[in-house]
Amino acid sequence: AQSVAQPEDQVNVAEGNPLTVKCTYSVSGNPYLFWYVQYPNRGLQFLLKYITGDNLVKGSYGFEAEFNKSQTSFHLKKPSALVSDSALYFCAVRPTASGTYKYIFGTGTRLKVLA
Amino acid sequence: DAGITQSPRHKVTETGTPVTLRCHQTENHRYMYWYRQDPGHGLRLIHYSYGVKDTDKGEVSDGYSVSRSKTEDFLLTLESATSSQTSVYFCAISGAPGQGGSPLHFGNGTRLTVT
Repeated sequence: AQSVAQPEDQVNVAEGNPLTVKCTYSVSGNPYLFWYVQYPNRGLQFLLKYITGDNLVKGSYGFEAEFNKSQTSFHLKKPSALVSDSALYFCAVRPTASGTYKYIFGTGTRLKVLA
Repeated sequence: DAGITQSPRHKVTETGTPVTLRCHQTENHRYMYWYRQDPGHGLRLIHYSYGVKDTDKGEVSDGYSVSRSKTEDFLLTLESATSSQTSVYFCAISGAPGQGGSPLHFGNGTRLTVT
């Protein structure tokens, strides 16, 4: 079965330190990969995506993500965390098989940035 | 936010009653999705639509039906609400998921409580 795993329910990091939120996936072929952020009582907001090309992709608010095909991972990173980055983060995958329009989400990782 | 409006934003209903949630978009996007968000489960796909009157099931479709009679509206109906359907429901849209990895854009959600 196709799936997305976010192994950490919560990640704590001090303000100013680098952060990493992990994501691995089990999807055949070459799926499209996405990161979203959710603030309280809001819908998910798109941060960045990987389609093809450079393994390091840059997105909104200083976030970037590193794609590793051999490890089927797509980890979200930021060089210097801000308290305002505290939120719930979701990794998502869209298989690229013909006729597939579904997006599969992980269970989410709560990021807490401590002042 | 993309032009997506979900209504109502909050609803409390009794077990056994039918409930309809509405998603309205002004982006003229072809693809529309209904997800539910529950702690520990992340986002799970209920149903999606790939065009007017074209819909398909997601991973948790039992007890739900959908309709899409025009591009801008996607309705989710709980035929006979149960307490297990207490959740936050999100509508999402996408312009062209098969072209360049178009991301999903989300509404702000409907919080449904079934008593």
